[in-house]
Amino acid sequence: DAGITQSPRHKVTETGTPVTLRCHQTENHRYMYWYRQDPGHGLRLIHYSYGVKDTDKGEVSDGYSVSRSKTEDFLLTLESATSSQTSVYFCAIRVNLNTEAFFGQGTRLTVV
Amino acid sequence: TQLLEQSPQFLSIQEGENLTVYCNSSSVFSSLQWYRQEPGEGPVLLVTVVTGGEVKKLKRLTFQFGDARKDSSLHITAAQPGDTGLYLCAGVIEGNTGKLIFGQGTTLQVKP
Repeated sequence: DAGITQSPRHKVTETGTPVTLRCHQTENHRYMYWYRQDPGHGLRLIHYSYGVKDTDKGEVSDGYSVSRSKTEDFLLTLESATSSQTSVYFCAIRVNLNTEAFFGQGTRLTVV
Repeated sequence: TQLLEQSPQFLSIQEGENLTVYCNSSSVFSSLQWYRQEPGEGPVLLVTVVTGGEVKKLKRLTFQFGDARKDSSLHITAAQPGDTGLYLCAGVIEGNTGKLIFGQGTTLQVKP
């Protein structure tokens, strides 16, 4: 199994509070991704990184920010959580453009 | 706007039937991948296709990449209950810095 860990696995938070999700890898892969998964939408890309301090927006980036100060860690921050951000969040890692993406176990986030 | 349109979104068939899932786009992809996801888990790679017109077989699953590299299909022969799951196509648009996007997914149910 690829060494990728998401934390926390479950979180309940209140509307308006900031939340940070962490993705940690031990594989030294270049690419890291954050997705959210909601019924009927598959996986939607929030942000991704193609190197340390190199990040770019995905399809649904509003309300989210990311940081990658080290190869192994990719942080996703919800600046002020809203109920519409209740979702399952997946992190993925990848060596290069045509290789397999390995996914973490997911984080179930509920905003009340 | 969904860059990768996947169809159908839901499919319920009897054991032994054949089925095809389609993944279409107006963009050219450098590669297309198919993943399968079980409940509570992250997606797992089934196949990667890179060359236009490429056909790959994985037991009863046949994957095809369109000649223009804008579409792909997954065909399952003689479906079995063990094939039940969520199937996702994913790809990187040609010339992109690594943005891996997914289709909406196809939920397949194979009844005994």
